[in-house]
Amino acid sequence: EPEVTQTPSHQVTQMGQEVILRCVPISNHLYFYWYRQILGQKVEFLVSFYNNEISEKSEIFDDQFSVERPDGSNFTLKIRSTKLEDSAMYFCASSEPLRTDTQYFGPGTRLTVL
Amino acid sequence: GQNIDQPTEMTATEGAIVQINCTYQTSGFNGLFWYQQHAGEAPTFLSYNVLDGLEEKGRFSSFLSRSKGYSYLLLKELQMKDSASYLCAVESFQKLVFGTGTRLLVSP
Repeated sequence: EPEVTQTPSHQVTQMGQEVILRCVPISNHLYFYWYRQILGQKVEFLVSFYNNEISEKSEIFDDQFSVERPDGSNFTLKIRSTKLEDSAMYFCASSEPLRTDTQYFGPGTRLTVL
Repeated sequence: GQNIDQPTEMTATEGAIVQINCTYQTSGFNGLFWYQQHAGEAPTFLSYNVLDGLEEKGRFSSFLSRSKGYSYLLLKELQMKDSASYLCAVESFQKLVFGTGTRLLVSP
């Protein structure tokens, strides 16, 4: 069964450093999403992406964040200058064209900012 | 605003039935989802309701009343492996808005 994959599974970085989290969505999916979950808290929407542009973003997704689809398979989330409070699990999700009702989540990347 | 409420924690016994409630107030509504999440893992899709009524899928059923802003997830014949967090989420303008999740503990 096809699945969303994410790399790395765990990333440790120093405050102020840039990180890039990578996702490979399911191959025929056209809608892509990033969510985050701070330990012990709820899953929070960051951004949705369709047709090579952001379709919606939350208040969390400020100028420090950016997303890109550099090629036909990868979908990346970049945090330019990490802060301690960026420590969280970051989940990528994707959904089929015309079936945005079901989003399939990747296993997540645990980001730890020291 | 966006507000999704569900109980923080519930306990139940193996073999029993448990109902996890969710109430919501969101600025848009395209459907309601239930996800299961084990500690340290990603949410996995359980069910989706867009029309009022009950959707049954094996041991899991989900109910929706849009007029009341209310849903529940019903788990039957509980198994130890059902111990997890259960997340209620509303699709609002192509994004999922999650509740804080209900941690279910199933005991022998």
